[in-house]
Amino acid sequence: DAKTTQPNSMESNEEEPVHLPCNHSTISGTDYIHWYRQLPSQGPEYVIHGLTSNVNNRMASLAIAEDRKSSTLILHRATLRDAAVYYCILRDGDQFYFGTGTSLTVIP
Amino acid sequence: DTGVSQNPRHKITKRGQNVTFRCDPISEHNRLYWYRQTLGQGPEFLTYFQNEAQLEKSRLLSDRFSAERPKGSFSTLEIQRTEQGDSAMYLCASSPGWDSLTEAFFGQGTRLTVV
Repeated sequence: DAKTTQPNSMESNEEEPVHLPCNHSTISGTDYIHWYRQLPSQGPEYVIHGLTSNVNNRMASLAIAEDRKSSTLILHRATLRDAAVYYCILRDGDQFYFGTGTSLTVIP
Repeated sequence: DTGVSQNPRHKITKRGQNVTFRCDPISEHNRLYWYRQTLGQGPEFLTYFQNEAQLEKSRLLSDRFSAERPKGSFSTLEIQRTEQGDSAMYLCASSPGWDSLTEAFFGQGTRLTVV
């Protein structure tokens, strides 16, 4: 069900930008790209989603490749509170399936 | 509204016992989802409801697992005759809609340990 591929782990220095990649080569035309993150000992929380155009919100930006086969979640200035597992999910309709995500370590 | 609430937060049970977990979604959210998460893995979809109707249950892990949402508000997940392999975090999520534009809100989960 998980149709996305992400690196297992990444590191970033505090206050630097972080680019978290996701490959989804089998994406269909109706799949939305969602990102969630899970902080330690918490349930996942929504970060951002998009279809074709790049998206920005207060938490992050989502850059979607023109062919939609990959996307990148951008945290503009990583803080220690951003240390979490980030999941890239393809969603078409009412069900969504998680992969193993990327574990982000933020170095002070 | 304080978000999705799950109870208990932790449950330790002996193998072979039955356990029941409760999820209270955000008010007026008509979609409710259950997931299981084992260490180092992403959440694994189990089942979901639209109000009181259970729309997908083929992914429940075995016939020992069942879920209900009798009045379209809170939901329960029951595991009968627990096994050590059932030890995991059980997560509940709710959402106000059903389509791809709708975000889901997760609870903090119930951690089950089967000894």
